[in-house]
Amino acid sequence: QVQLQESGPGLVKPSETLSLTCTVSGGSISSSSYYWGWIRQPPGKGLEWIGIASFYYSGRTYYNPSLKSQVSISADTSNNQFSLKVTSMTAADTAVYYCARITYGSGTQNWFDPWGQGALVTVSS
Amino acid sequence: DIQMTQSPSSLSASVGDRVTITCRASQSISTFLNWYQQKPGKAPKLLIYSASNLQSGVPSRFSGSGSGTDFSLTITGLHPEDFATYYCQQSYTTLAITFGQGTRLESK
Repeated sequence: QVQLQESGPGLVKPSETLSLTCTVSGGSISSSSYYWGWIRQPPGKGLEWIGIASFYYSGRTYYNPSLKSQVSISADTSNNQFSLKVTSMTAADTAVYYCARITYGSGTQNWFDPWGQGALVTVSS
Repeated sequence: DIQMTQSPSSLSASVGDRVTITCRASQSISTFLNWYQQKPGKAPKLLIYSASNLQSGVPSRFSGSGSGTDFSLTITGLHPEDFATYYCQQSYTTLAITFGQGTRLESK
């Protein structure tokens, strides 16, 4: 079965760029059947969608409009990994960052499953 | 953006109870509605997809219903391991996926 695992720095300074990697095992991120995404959760708060991407052929990405200028998703298909970059980090970006697979059902129905275990990123000087 | 509003925000119940959590969308989303369970320190887990379909491996005491703007998640016969936070999520538009604010289910 597919498993996802986030990795990256636990501490980032204000104004710096965060780079997180999601390593996928048990399935190819280049599959035409799935998208791959990032979601974050500030401590004690709810879930915020960051963006999703397909890495099939030329690929496609969709970002949360409120974060679009700050984030980007890319892939290293040779290592079956995809990454998130968040620029100009501030304290408001402190959160647990999750990667997840987007599964499609009938029509365009879709849902996040499975999820990685999450990576806590703290923004502090 | 499509806003998702869950109610209640928190709920106290006892083992064996039947509980219902509702989720309302700010516009019609057909059945593009998913439910997740999250326990402290863990990633969310998919329970229900497309409003009423039980994810494989999820106990049958969980059920979902609704379409359009109003949805519900029902747990019939609470088990101790069901005390958690529950989130709804709309997938109607890939351009702006949104989650509800969450409902915390606590033991009475």
